[in-house]
Amino acid sequence: LAKTTQPISMDSYEGQEVNITCSHNNIATNDYITWYQQFPSQGPRFIIQGYKTKVTNEVASLFIPADRKSSTLSLPRVSLSDTAVYYCLVGDMNTGFQKLVFGTGTRLLVSP
Amino acid sequence: DTGVSQNPRHKITKRGQNVTFRCDPISEHNRLYWYRQTLGQGPEFLTYFQNEAQLEKSRLLSDRFSAERPKGSFSTLEIQRTEQGDSAMYLCASSRSGTGVGTDTQYFGPGTRLTVL
Repeated sequence: LAKTTQPISMDSYEGQEVNITCSHNNIATNDYITWYQQFPSQGPRFIIQGYKTKVTNEVASLFIPADRKSSTLSLPRVSLSDTAVYYCLVGDMNTGFQKLVFGTGTRLLVSP
Repeated sequence: DTGVSQNPRHKITKRGQNVTFRCDPISEHNRLYWYRQTLGQGPEFLTYFQNEAQLEKSRLLSDRFSAERPKGSFSTLEIQRTEQGDSAMYLCASSRSGTGVGTDTQYFGPGTRLTVL
């Protein structure tokens, strides 16, 4: 599984857009990119998933450049409730199962 | 609520006791996973089921750990002769097999926090 690298922590203020970039230089052709959010004492929550270009849902956008060696999770107009740990993962969706390998994630702190 | 559920949410036990956790996956999901998470770390994979078959186990899953999914629905994770190092959050996730974006996405339960005294 491709290794990912993310910033350990980020700080923001309410109402700002937050972009968290993840590096995955060894991503394979069949790998997809998935982001999870985790609050203290809760299980990770699926945010968004993509393969290339841009994906948008009601929560976030995911930008993936053509070389796919990095990806950026964009959270528009964050609120205090977006304070959480965000994990970037890559994995092959076509091999029968996906054993998720989590790093330490990015701790986002949103202040008033 | 049709998400993944786990019981109990919290368990405190004394060293040497056996504990069992239960996970009920999303009903149409045929894959079920167990992870362990310690403070400040991301979840670590323990084991995986497709239907009732246990297809992979991590080396983290010592002989004291056993997981079952007898009818391909709910799963149990048992820890025998608990040790203080077993204290962690135990997470269950489920997914629906398939290919392409959106399939095989793992959805997690709230976890069971184990404290071994």
